[in-house]
Amino acid sequence: EAGVAQSPRYKIIEKRQSVAFWCNPISGHATLYWYQQILGQGPKLLIQFQNNGVVDDSQLPKDRFSAERLKGVDSTLKIQPAKLEDSAVYLCASSLTGQGWQSTDTQYFGPGTRLTVL
Amino acid sequence: DAKTTQPNSMESNEEEPVHLPCNHSTISGTDYIHWYRQLPSQGPEYVIHGLTSNVNNRMASLAIAEDRKSSTLILHRATLRDAAVYYCILTITQGGSEKLVFGKGTKLTVNP
Repeated sequence: EAGVAQSPRYKIIEKRQSVAFWCNPISGHATLYWYQQILGQGPKLLIQFQNNGVVDDSQLPKDRFSAERLKGVDSTLKIQPAKLEDSAVYLCASSLTGQGWQSTDTQYFGPGTRLTVL
Repeated sequence: DAKTTQPNSMESNEEEPVHLPCNHSTISGTDYIHWYRQLPSQGPEYVIHGLTSNVNNRMASLAIAEDRKSSTLILHRATLRDAAVYYCILTITQGGSEKLVFGKGTKLTVNP
């Protein structure tokens, strides 16, 4: 079974530029998550989709970050304009359930995209 | 706003058992205890989860205290490939959905 795919793996941009990350979840997984992981910290949830609807985006800085999940499959996360503090690894994860997060649901993570903002 | 407390780091020797502790004194009756680990340069991966009873799987065992305020992840024979950051996580309910909230975890070093 193929895992969660993300691209690109690495990205270097200058501040105020824009950047986009792509995620392809495990086939059949209804729920998709984007996390931000700053060096030395655990992942922080940015946004959670159930199919193509947003379940939780309370931690997403909406003035500069946006995300979409068209047709309930692939997803893109965009930052525009980027700031120095956005330097981090952006992780995508997916889980099977169609009922949103369940207490026993397992999340499967992709390898992440390492963003460096100069 | 992580609800768990873990040591920042631990060391073990290869082929010896490892006991990774976690305190979660504010756990509620319906909270599951999850463990994920993150190997270097990879995304986190699921290890094990439990509610009240001890749990075993091919990767590890989870021992849960009777009052559920603490738990221990047990790796029976550590290998060099087990060197990772281990996260002990409780789910939280926010905005009508449940989600994982990661803390900083425990960095496990395995010595050959």
